[in-house]
Formats: sequence, C-alpha cells, structure tokens
Amino acid sequence: VMTQSPLSLSVTPGQPASISCKSSRSLLYTDGKTYVHWYLHKAGQPPQLLIHELSNRFSGVPDRFSGSGSGTDFTLQISRVEAEDVGVYYCAQSIQLYTFGQGTKLEIK
Amino acid sequence: EVQLVESGGGLVQPGGSLRLSCEGSGFIFSTNWMTWVRQAPGKGLEWVANIKQDASQLYYVESVQGRFTISRDNAKNSLYLQMNSLRAEDTAVYYCARVRLGSDVFDVWGHGTMVTVSS
Repeated sequence: VMTQSPLSLSVTPGQPASISCKSSRSLLYTDGKTYVHWYLHKAGQPPQLLIHELSNRFSGVPDRFSGSGSGTDFTLQISRVEAEDVGVYYCAQSIQLYTFGQGTKLEIK
Repeated sequence: EVQLVESGGGLVQPGGSLRLSCEGSGFIFSTNWMTWVRQAPGKGLEWVANIKQDASQLYYVESVQGRFTISRDNAKNSLYLQMNSLRAEDTAVYYCARVRLGSDVFDVWGHGTMVTVSS
C-alpha cells in the first residue's frame, strides 16, 4: 500500500512544494535500487513520468523536481512551483507488481 | 514520434465483454513490456496488467484476475485487453503505456479509451 500526504495542496507560484509517500514495505531491492516512482497527471492529458527509481528525473523533466527518501518513506519536492505544475501527483511502487498512491492534487493559489 | 493509440471502449452491460486495442508507432514495439492502467471516475490511477515482450509473462491486479486477459501481436504493433464478466466498478478510462526499457516505469502513454459498464 502506498499512502500519500497531503491529498491536496495549494501553492503560490515561486514557492516550494513537498509531497510525502509512505510504503507499507521497503522498496529497496537487492540490486540497490529503490523502486518508487512519481507521475503527474494533468487534466485532459495522459499521465507523465517525472521521477523513476527514487531520484532519477525522466528526460525533459525540469530540475525543479526532485525525489528523495529511503526504505519506506519518500518525498517529491518542487523547488519553485510554476502554473504548469498543476495536476495530480502519484507515487508508485514496482517492487511487487505495481501500485499507485491515492494521488495529491496540486493547485495554484 | 513515439505514439500509442487506444480504441475499443464503449458502453457495455454488466456481465458483458469488451476488447480494447492499443496500437504503437514510432518505436520497435516488440522490444518493450507493455501495460494497461485505468482510472475510474473521480478516482486515482490503478495498474491493471503487464505483458512481457514475447507474452511469456503476464501479470494482473487481483481485482481483474480471471476476467481480463492481456495479449499482444508484435507483427501488428498492437496490445490488447480482453475484458469479460464486466462489473460496474470496471468503469474507467483505460490507458495503455509502454514500459521503459531496463526499468519498471511507464514512459509513453496513450490518451485512453473510456469503458462504461452500466445497464
């Protein structure tokens, strides 16, 4: 089970934002990789990959997005929120099949 | 341009069947695992099923096990989801996605096809 918090947040442009994701089991695998990923789902668009294996930004993702954490506790941070960042953010685990968190809705103040 | 296009969604009665298709282009379809993910109205994303490049490994979320079948035809660059014994709770937008090479993540997504199960 992947549990996200908060479920929604409202951020002023230029301010940072942080989303927490907790897993019911360790996502650290024997190969040394941590199998937690982050996606953004904007309205009217398909979901898009942001971060893979804990902290690796996907191609084209701005460096204001970063992933961190270890074991069962993870965080997605946006250093300076922009208007285009609105949408629902999901963490996901792939160590055992695939599970998404409930989602965190980001709005702009 | 790498692209995935789903089709086959629609309205179906409870207990009925539907077959979704997803055609890939712009990449060598046979080299990637593929997956289906769905989003029920007002709900979050839910992974549904995965299929290996040669279809030798198939995985399903427990709620669809025994009712849904994922398959592929690499000669046609196509992914399928056969859905039987449909229930109201299967109502969702169904997305196909490509599994990134060497990883477990979904790096290319289609725009989705809507499935509504209702009498």
